[in-house]
Amino acid sequence: AQKITQTQPGMFVQEKEAVTLDCTYDTSDQSYGLFWYKQPSSGEMIFLIYQGSYDEQNATEGRYSLNFQKARKSANLVISASQLGDSAMYFCAMRDDTGRRALTFGSGTRLQVQP
Amino acid sequence: EPEVTQTPSHQVTQMGQEVILRCVPISNHLYFYWYRQILGQKVEFLVSFYNNEISEKSEIFDDQFSVERPDGSNFTLKIRSTKLEDSAMYFCASSDTASRTEAFFGQGTRLTVV
Repeated sequence: AQKITQTQPGMFVQEKEAVTLDCTYDTSDQSYGLFWYKQPSSGEMIFLIYQGSYDEQNATEGRYSLNFQKARKSANLVISASQLGDSAMYFCAMRDDTGRRALTFGSGTRLQVQP
Repeated sequence: EPEVTQTPSHQVTQMGQEVILRCVPISNHLYFYWYRQILGQKVEFLVSFYNNEISEKSEIFDDQFSVERPDGSNFTLKIRSTKLEDSAMYFCASSDTASRTEAFFGQGTRLTVV
């Protein structure tokens, strides 16, 4: 069974600073995908970034990067140059790429960006 | 940009009533999903649907729940006899055939059972 752990229920960051949101995972699968989603107060789920288990380089999407450490089973999200609009819940999720396609989500981290 | 559309955005229903939540997935996607998020909690998988049949379901998805793709574009979730604990945000999502892609989520339907 897959499991995602996000140990930071809440985080604060100053505007324009970088912040790292932690995510560790547990799976026996060899091929899997890791995702980060943003959920603003309006409720929708917005895809941010994807990392495949066989990708050798860390994924980057604009101000978002994923610090993937396979041996440690961690997939931390790094947001650079935080903006007030980054204040939201952030969910880490994973999916088995070989069979089960459903996402398993972590409990989320609420990020608040302070001016 | 294509998007997943869900209706209604809010639904209030009496306990014991049936509700149908509707979703229009992205048109060229073949995998469809329903997820649930109880207020303040994490997103939980309910069911996935492919090739006109359920491909996987969680233990949450009991006999009170059913899904259907009635007309080739809509994807519905029916709850036959709602309970108070069914109150949650329900998300529809879709993805294409490639495994290395994200699921696109709709904006959600907030269901309140009173």
